[in-house]
Amino acid sequence: DTAVSQTPKYLVTQMGNDKSIKCEQNLGHDTMYWYKQDSKKFLKIMFSYNNKELIINETVPNRFSPKSPDKAHLNLHINSLELGDSAVYFCASSHGTFRTEQYFGPGTRLTVT
Amino acid sequence: AQKVTQAQTEISVVEKEDVTLDCVYETRDTTYYLFWYKQPPSGELVFLIRRNSFDEQNEISGRYSWNFQKSTSSFNFTITASQVVDSAVYFCALRETSGSRLTFGEGTQLTVNP
Repeated sequence: DTAVSQTPKYLVTQMGNDKSIKCEQNLGHDTMYWYKQDSKKFLKIMFSYNNKELIINETVPNRFSPKSPDKAHLNLHINSLELGDSAVYFCASSHGTFRTEQYFGPGTRLTVT
Repeated sequence: AQKVTQAQTEISVVEKEDVTLDCVYETRDTTYYLFWYKQPPSGELVFLIRRNSFDEQNEISGRYSWNFQKSTSSFNFTITASQVVDSAVYFCALRETSGSRLTFGEGTQLTVNP
């Protein structure tokens, strides 16, 4: 059984479009995250939710909007996509916000043309 | 501000060699956690180990071992008798008490050649 799942795995779209990436975890965790991995493999946190409450909101363009309908889901909506948004987006979850490790989803490779 | 440095961008070894991946971190907190993750060519991120700042005991798990030295702010990772399947990007990461964000190093690409 997949612990952290993301859909879609690949997303190819044109500039200016709006797209969403969905994430679900079945680990019973209360904290979820979105990370962006750029072409140089650098991983950077974007957002984090704890019990559906936004606790981390890094300097990300406001075209990116996370939504957490419940503790098991954290979706990422991106408006007006730009070429620079092309990256791999990872969802992760953890039990609590400090002591425990984060478990990552398989990633969504977004390509903006 | 917290920072993680993995100075080795790429390492290439021949199978069965031992290899050590370096990780140096910066933090003002006295309580923090350190992590290692593996990202194989398939792309997923796999958790390997967590270590808290009060536990400097080295850890061994099969061919993997970790050396945590607070005095030098280092948390190095050694693979003994490397195998081709160890080829991956390895990330060291730090988490402070003052925030829940995980700060990653830039990763080390390890290639194990047969």
